[in-house]
Amino acid sequence: GENVEQHPSTLSVQEGDSAVIKCTYSDSASNYFPWYKQELGKGPQLIIDIRSNVGEKKDQRIAVTLNKTAKHFSLHITETQPEDSAVYFCAATKNTNAGKSTFGDGTTLTVKP
Amino acid sequence: KAGVTQTPRYLIKTRGQQVTLSCSPISGHRSVSWYQQTPGQGLQFLFEYFSETQRNKGNFPGRFSGRQFSNSRSEMNVSTLELGDSALYLCASSRVTGSYEQYFGPGTRLTVT
Repeated sequence: GENVEQHPSTLSVQEGDSAVIKCTYSDSASNYFPWYKQELGKGPQLIIDIRSNVGEKKDQRIAVTLNKTAKHFSLHITETQPEDSAVYFCAATKNTNAGKSTFGDGTTLTVKP
Repeated sequence: KAGVTQTPRYLIKTRGQQVTLSCSPISGHRSVSWYQQTPGQGLQFLFEYFSETQRNKGNFPGRFSGRQFSNSRSEMNVSTLELGDSALYLCASSRVTGSYEQYFGPGTRLTVT
């Protein structure tokens, strides 16, 4: 089955700096890659996603890049703010099993004011 | 638009008992997926329902079961609870099966003593 590895497990940055989280996946049939932000006591919130026919996607301070050949994708957060502090999860999904995502182990991001 | 709702939010059960958790998807969403989140295993897929039918199933024992009703609401049941079943159980809904974007509820925190 699909396996998703996520790095780093913890990341601490100063406010205003950039943060990068990387994921690799094993199943070349995966074609949808969402990123979720989970705050304490809440469920994961979809923050950005990318499909396999796109190499990069941006939404304000957040961007995701995908390298299908290398089977890795990354989340980039620029101009980090304290409210960006949370646990971030990457996931991989196949269109044949769209309701079933395989998640990475999560990255705890701390943004120091 | 109301988000995904899950009830109850917290549960404490004794080993050997059974438990039923409920999930109401976003209005118009017909696919419901369930995930188990634990510190050691991360987010793991349990099963997905669409049109009252189980479409996908993860690698969990038969003690874990679910169902979906005609109004798309879903329940999951865990029988003969074990200490290791203590976890946050998350429900996610999407518009239709084959639609990638999943939206998570806040989860039900189950503690087995």
